[in-house]
Amino acid sequence: IAGITQAPTSQILAAGRRMTLRCTQDMRHNAMYWYRQDLGLGLRLIHYSNTAGTTGKGEVPDGYSVSRANTDDFPLTLASAVPSQTSVYFCASSAQPQGADTQYFGPGTRLTVL
Amino acid sequence: GIQVEQSPPDLILQEGANSTLRCNFSDSVNNLQWFHQNPWGQLINLFYIPSGTKQNGRLSATTVATERYSLLYISSSQTTDSGVYFCAVEGNQFYFGTGTSLTVIP
Repeated sequence: IAGITQAPTSQILAAGRRMTLRCTQDMRHNAMYWYRQDLGLGLRLIHYSNTAGTTGKGEVPDGYSVSRANTDDFPLTLASAVPSQTSVYFCASSAQPQGADTQYFGPGTRLTVL
Repeated sequence: GIQVEQSPPDLILQEGANSTLRCNFSDSVNNLQWFHQNPWGQLINLFYIPSGTKQNGRLSATTVATERYSLLYISSSQTTDSGVYFCAVEGNQFYFGTGTSLTVIP
């Protein structure tokens, strides 16, 4: 069992380019989340999905979009990357949504936008 | 959103020492979790603890929801305990504190 996988591990991207970060979980969890981690700011929630077919905005959603076509996958798209989106991105999942259960995190994607 | 404050921001311990990390939050929450981020960046859930006390080996946590704080106790610290400890609370969504960076020296 892999748990949660993220791809790519790291990426350098030119500003203005489109980028999709991939996240897949094999635990059949209902809820999935995307966070960004910046030095001194901890982790901030970008978007979440309580169940397949639904998504919601977190604390810092601007410039990002997500989709949840099935239970396992939760891609995060930057339509036109900007340098302020340079960060480490973590995907997470939990069996139940709304914080009623333990969250499990992927290994992260380090994104640099130049 | 809910403000989550963790203290101390940094902590250096001699191996074998005990420590207490604190998490204060600004509003009523539905639950609270403690995470450890190791030096390689991996985030591991330590406790899901909306209230009460839990213990797991050398670690234990207590949450007093009515007073809006949680404590994480590390006893007999080891070098492998090094990393950043995050507290996260859930109101309408999850909010993380900025963490306590712990370094355990041999």
